[in-house]
Amino acid sequence: DVVMTQSPLSLPVTLGQPASISCRSSQSLVYTDGNTFLNWFQQRPGQSPRRLIYKVSNRDSGVPDRFSGSGSGTDFTLKISRVEAEDVGVYYCMQGTYWPWTFGQGTKVEIK
Amino acid sequence: EVQLVESGGGLVQPGGSLRLSCAASGFIFSNYWMSWVRQAPGKGLEWVANINQDGSDKQYVDSVKGRFTISRDNAKNSLYLQMNSLRAEDTAVYYCVFLSRGSSIDNWGQGTLVTVSS
Repeated sequence: DVVMTQSPLSLPVTLGQPASISCRSSQSLVYTDGNTFLNWFQQRPGQSPRRLIYKVSNRDSGVPDRFSGSGSGTDFTLKISRVEAEDVGVYYCMQGTYWPWTFGQGTKVEIK
Repeated sequence: EVQLVESGGGLVQPGGSLRLSCAASGFIFSNYWMSWVRQAPGKGLEWVANINQDGSDKQYVDSVKGRFTISRDNAKNSLYLQMNSLRAEDTAVYYCVFLSRGSSIDNWGQGTLVTVSS
């Protein structure tokens, strides 16, 4: 199975400041058709997860543009340009290139 | 508006069985792959199973293979997860999920809690 490794696992941030989460996969996530199925999910406390980013850098509908994704191959990053209070929660990267689809351990974002 | 409503969770003894259901609405159910994802209490997410549009293609994570069966009834816009030989480590919130790998489609139910304990 593809192992997804996130860092850091805990991220205290100041409101209005940027934040960045790294995700590394144990093998390249480039699919045979050239797509890279790397996703980012947000799970707010007490809520179901929701996807923020698909195919590395595409924002899902309704996701604020302060969220951005980048990367290629095995190294990926989620950035929040200016953290807001509603961004508190756990963030997961997930690969959908190889079955079984696998998640990272999660990064807990909290306000300092 | 897309809605996914899970039901069927509860307390079951080790070795027992449970059938989860997911009622879907707000989209053409028969056109899409559907999935189950679970989350153990206080833990991360695990993708459990996928099923294609007509039910002819199914995928399972190794930890549930041979014990869980995903199925669907397109006439009833419903997704199911039959869980047999349940173990303590199957204790989790189970989410019904409808998303696309390649486009902006992402929908999750509210989840149903399955607790396996004697």
